[in-house]
Amino acid sequence: DVKVTQSSRYLVKRTGEKVFLECVQDMDHENMFWYRQDPGLGLRLIYFSYDVKMKEKGDIPEGYSVSREKKERFSLILESASTNQTSMYLCASYRGLAGGATDTQYFGPGTRLTVL
Amino acid sequence: GESVGLHLPTLSVQEGDNSIINCAYSNSASDYFIWYKQESGKGPQFIIDIRSNMDKRQGQRVTVLLNKTVKHLSLQIAATQPGDSAVYFCAENLYNFNKFYFGSGTKLNVKP
Repeated sequence: DVKVTQSSRYLVKRTGEKVFLECVQDMDHENMFWYRQDPGLGLRLIYFSYDVKMKEKGDIPEGYSVSREKKERFSLILESASTNQTSMYLCASYRGLAGGATDTQYFGPGTRLTVL
Repeated sequence: GESVGLHLPTLSVQEGDNSIINCAYSNSASDYFIWYKQESGKGPQFIIDIRSNMDKRQGQRVTVLLNKTVKHLSLQIAATQPGDSAVYFCAENLYNFNKFYFGSGTKLNVKP
């Protein structure tokens, strides 16, 4: 089974702090994603990476950056946390095009971040 | 961009009944669709998927139906159980692209 883990389940930070959210997958997937999930808004893509050191902006990248130094690890960075970044953050991993096999994303358990 | 929507934000069913959760998508070029289940405090879990060259796909107690004519996707859960209580949402994907688009979800409440 694919396993996607996230470094923290709950995190409380203060406005202006630098925040690191880490995600690790164990299935050698090329693609990794960071989403935030807010009530009524569904999952919104922040950034994704399709290879080591490669990244692309998603739909809401402002206020965030990412790092992918190793294939299995994808980090989301909030350079200066703000209260409007309080949310559930979900990491996902995806093998990519795989013929007839399932091409779904696999999600981590999520990190609920509160910025005070 | 693409939009994926759900007709009902909350669905309540009696234990043992069948449940039907609906989803509309807007991009007729999308060719891969997924249903996820998300329990409280957990990340989304894959339930079932379907490609655009199919109309129906069955899993264990779940069936996904795809109507490309009206761009509609549905998830049917047979003999709904209390453990099925969760938020369900659909996602669409365009082949050759690595981006997925998600609906906001339908909360399924199963009454004992």
